[in-house]
Amino acid sequence: GEDVEQSLFLSVREGDSSVINCTYTDSSSTYLYWYKQEPGAGLQLLTYIFSNMDMKQDQRLTVLLNKKDKHLSLRIADTQTGDSAIYFCAETAFWGNAGNMLTFGGGTRLMVKP
Amino acid sequence: EPEVTQTPSHQVTQMGQEVILRCVPISNHLYFYWYRQILGQKVEFLVSFYNNEISEKSEIFDDQFSVERPDGSNFTLKIRSTKLEDSAMYFCASSRDHSGSGYEQYFGPGTRLTVT
Repeated sequence: GEDVEQSLFLSVREGDSSVINCTYTDSSSTYLYWYKQEPGAGLQLLTYIFSNMDMKQDQRLTVLLNKKDKHLSLRIADTQTGDSAIYFCAETAFWGNAGNMLTFGGGTRLMVKP
Repeated sequence: EPEVTQTPSHQVTQMGQEVILRCVPISNHLYFYWYRQILGQKVEFLVSFYNNEISEKSEIFDDQFSVERPDGSNFTLKIRSTKLEDSAMYFCASSRDHSGSGYEQYFGPGTRLTVT
C-alpha cells in the first residue's frame, strides 16, 4: 500500500529557515498536503500542492515537489517559536466522485529555540 | 472562520461498551471523514461518507464501526463494542468537494477515546 515517511525531529534557532522533508511511494498521488498540529489541538491545514506543480509559495511557507523522486519539502522562512509543532505530510490520489482518503506520514516535531 | 467541531473532547469508556463520537462538519461541505491516531502512531483513515452513504472504508473500519448523518449538521461515529485497542484520538474532517480547489480536508480538534 501507499506509504509516507518523514524524519521524526528537527531543531532550529529562531529566525533561521526550517526545512521539513517527506517521501511518498504512491506514484498516482494527486494532491500533497502539509498539516500542523500544536499540543492538544487538531490538524490545521497549512498548504497543499497539486502534483503538476513544482513549487508553491504562501507567505513564509514554500512547498517543493520533486515528483520524479517522490519527495516533498516544506520550508518555513524566519522560523518563530510559535512554529513549534508537529508537521504532517499527507497525500491523496483521486479515485472518483466518492471523496479521497489521506495517507499521512508519521509527523516531524519541529522545535524552535529562542 | 468556519471550523469542524467535535464532542466530547475526551471520552472514557469500559471495554465492551458502545460509544458515539460526534462531529459537526463545516456547513457547506459535502464530504465527511473519520480518521484515528493511536498514540505514537500515524494518523489512519477510517471511512469517508458522501450523499448519505459510505464511499470508502479502510480495513480498520469493521462491523464494530458505523457512521451516520442523523440530521443536516451532525456526523457520528459509533463503535458498537469497544476494545482496548480502540483507544486513540479520533478526528473528523470535511471537505467541500472531492476535487479541484474545494478538495481540502479540514479537521476537527479530535476526541480522545480511552477504553479501560
